[in-house]
Amino acid sequence: GDSVTQMEGPVTLSEEAFLTINCTYTATGYPSLFWYVQYPGEGLQLLLKATKADDKGSNKGFEATYRKETTSFHLEKGSVQVSDSAVYFCALSHLSYSGAGSYQLTFGKGTKLSVIP
Amino acid sequence: GAVVSQHPSRVICKSGTSVKIECRSLDFQATTMFWYRQFPKQSLMLMATSNEGSKATYEQGVEKDKFLINHASLTLSTLTVTSAHPEDSSFYICSARELGRGNTEAFFGQGTRLTVV
Repeated sequence: GDSVTQMEGPVTLSEEAFLTINCTYTATGYPSLFWYVQYPGEGLQLLLKATKADDKGSNKGFEATYRKETTSFHLEKGSVQVSDSAVYFCALSHLSYSGAGSYQLTFGKGTKLSVIP
Repeated sequence: GAVVSQHPSRVICKSGTSVKIECRSLDFQATTMFWYRQFPKQSLMLMATSNEGSKATYEQGVEKDKFLINHASLTLSTLTVTSAHPEDSSFYICSARELGRGNTEAFFGQGTRLTVV
């Protein structure tokens, strides 16, 4: 079945440092790929997504490129801020073929990022 | 963007009682809603998928008689934890997919922290 593997945390960086959080996946076909962010005490928010190979998702200075050849979707940001401290989840989804149009997300375990001033 | 509201955000209940959690799509109609459970320092685990007007589909290992899901309208799904036990204490998150949307994006509620004492 589908699976997502992302780097273990926690990751602690100084403000303005470069961030990379690795994510690789195993899936059949051509899934859509996502990064979600969870701030303390809150639910998940979609950060960015890519729906096909070589697509680059970007938002709030974060970027990730869908690499089919390496089955990866690494998250990067050139200069992190304290406000970026959160847990980041890589995820993938397929459309199911049940006819109901349902789909489900498969998540990685999450990587906690702490940015210190 | 689309908004999903989950209520309550926190609840404490006694062992043996039942707790209902509501998930509402505020500005769109949700064909499908998903319920996830998140253990501390773990990823989100899909519990069940519900389509409006039909029975929920539960993931393997999830007791359908314990976690009752009702998706009575296109804007509301409820999860009832029946005869709650301390091991049911967890963070529960719902998500919803918009009717008619061709993409695979889902929107998440803020989550409910359930503590069973």
